Amino acid sequence: EADIYQTPRYLVIGTGKKITLECSQTMGHDKMYWYQQDPGMELHLIHYSYGVNSTEKGDLSSESTVSRIRTEHFPLTLESARPSHTSQYLCASSHHRGFQETQYFGPGTRLLVL
Amino acid sequence: RKEVEQDPGPFNVPEGATVAFNCTYSNSASQSFFWYRQDCRKEPKLLMSVYSSGNEDGRFTAQLNRASQYISLLIRDSKLSDSATYLCAVKKSGGYQKVTFGTGTKLQVIP
Repeated sequence: EADIYQTPRYLVIGTGKKITLECSQTMGHDKMYWYQQDPGMELHLIHYSYGVNSTEKGDLSSESTVSRIRTEHFPLTLESARPSHTSQYLCASSHHRGFQETQYFGPGTRLLVL
Repeated sequence: RKEVEQDPGPFNVPEGATVAFNCTYSNSASQSFFWYRQDCRKEPKLLMSVYSSGNEDGRFTAQLNRASQYISLLIRDSKLSDSATYLCAVKKSGGYQKVTFGTGTKLQVIP
């Protein structure tokens, strides 16, 4: 069982609010990721980090920002939420070991912006 | 062309059937290959890694064809509980390479 946690699990919020989605892992993984996924649709990588103080934008443009001040923590922030941000946000982490690099996913945060 | 491509399905198969999915990748530098399973409204979970020589885990067999640049997943004796979306994932060599996921193939096993 993966030790990666996301809070909140569900969030309903009004337009214009600032929100932070939390992601923590206790596996000591150096790499962490944020994906966005709409119901029944594919995963889109929006941010990733290879270690502390390292953050990169993913394949899908996102108005969110991330930070990586501690190895175990990778929060995602939306400064001003909009209905178009409604989606599921999945956090993942991995540790590079030779060719094998399993990603472990958190349970996700379902965001609804009204 | 997408870096990783899968037939989205759905594949509707009867219980007990054998079903196979393919996943093609475009970058010949890809070195690591995986199959993930994602249940409805849940997070993806690793099903199995794919090794060069092919590997088996119970009813599941994964194979890699480097010449044609695809990986496959074979499920024998399908169970109702196998109903899910199966995502393939590919990674190029090197510690700073991202894993790229396919769009997923939906499998529905029917009684």
